[in-house]
Amino acid sequence: EDKVVQSPLSLVVHEGDTVTLNCSYEVTNFRSLLWYKQEKKAPTFLFMLTSSGIEKKSGRLSSILDKKELFSILNITATQTGDSAIYLCAVEKGNYGQNFVFGPGTRLSVLP
Amino acid sequence: NAGVTQTPKFQVLKTGQSMTLQCAQDMNHEYMSWYRQDPGMGLRLIHYSVGAGITDQGEVPNGYNVSRSTTEDFPLRLLSAAPSQTSVYFCASRQGARYGYTFGSGTRLTVV
Repeated sequence: EDKVVQSPLSLVVHEGDTVTLNCSYEVTNFRSLLWYKQEKKAPTFLFMLTSSGIEKKSGRLSSILDKKELFSILNITATQTGDSAIYLCAVEKGNYGQNFVFGPGTRLSVLP
Repeated sequence: NAGVTQTPKFQVLKTGQSMTLQCAQDMNHEYMSWYRQDPGMGLRLIHYSVGAGITDQGEVPNGYNVSRSTTEDFPLRLLSAAPSQTSVYFCASRQGARYGYTFGSGTRLTVV
């Protein structure tokens, strides 16, 4: 059975801290792994990863994929209160794409 | 551009009623999908489409129908609503296989 596991499920930090969010997966015919940020409503796209070892960066956020060990991490440095959100990991699988399995998300709370 | 537009934003149905959740995008995206989000379970794929006239089932398709007669529209039909279909429904579209999804703002559906 395909599954995507995220850890921790919940995390509380203070502004300025660095956090690492984890996503591990077991799916049939892996195609890509995506990270999303969900605040009040719709998820917004952060990163798409397809190759092992290549870091994607956007400001204080970065992510990397390990296809051998079947996991990805999302790092956020110098956290701010605006980083408070649920971070979702999604894995695209199958022969024809478009079939995504989402993890349950990590709820990050950044305190001032 | 309006992006991905979902209507209605809120809906209450009685058990056994049918209804259609509307989704439209104005970005000329080929790929569109419907997800439901339940507490603690993340997003689960209901149906997806890789282009007009082409649809396929996701993880939880039972009780739902879709059609894709145009690139812009991807309605989701609930055939006979059940309390288990109480959820938040998201429609999403994607420019291509190398891009992330753009999500609509969601429809909160309650079945009583």
